[in-house]
Amino acid sequence: QQQVKQSPQSLIVQKGGIPIINCAYENTAFDYFPWYQQFPGKGPALLIAIRPDVSEKKEGRFTISFNKSAKQFSLHIMDSQPGDSATYFCAASNPNYGQNFVFGPGTRLSVLP
Amino acid sequence: DSGVTQTPKHLITATGQRVTLRCSPRSGDLSVYWYQQSLDQGLQFLIQYYNGEERAKGNILERFSAQQFPDLHSELNLSSLELGDSALYFCASSVGVRPGVGSPLHFGNGTRLTVT
Repeated sequence: QQQVKQSPQSLIVQKGGIPIINCAYENTAFDYFPWYQQFPGKGPALLIAIRPDVSEKKEGRFTISFNKSAKQFSLHIMDSQPGDSATYFCAASNPNYGQNFVFGPGTRLSVLP
Repeated sequence: DSGVTQTPKHLITATGQRVTLRCSPRSGDLSVYWYQQSLDQGLQFLIQYYNGEERAKGNILERFSAQQFPDLHSELNLSSLELGDSALYFCASSVGVRPGVGSPLHFGNGTRLTVT
């Protein structure tokens, strides 16, 4: 129940394409869903985050879509660029004591020029 | 710059040795998290401290230990090192007891540990 599932494991798109990364969870106590971007040799950087009372959030070319009933959320990258090539992690936070923040396994995105 | 500082950036040591990794959280952040990332793998949660107290434990080996000091910096101690301990070790910090809208989790750039 503490897990977050993420797919696909890897993704290759052409420049200008719209890669979509999906995540799913079981624990309805999760109330904060961020996405992180990680370049090789660097720490993950917070990209965008959403609460479950919002169905969509946009920040620049990055959009999170949230489906509370299906317990799924996804990241869309509009007009993708080669510089977006990185590993993307979804995550979820819950108010329970103990391990209260979990990451998905990650998606390696390659945007071809 | 996330504001989370980790030292050293690189560490090369031999099997059986002991090392200490250091993390200074962002100014004002009370929580410190430690993660291990092996080559091309995901982020494995090790341990969390909040305001000096252990808050949560993940898949942390008994050979590993950590603490958070009164000035809120944290240290991760790895002992009896094995080849398989070679990885990137990340520290992250947040204001509150858990990441949230008003308390985002920010990562340092990690310490790359190589055990030979």
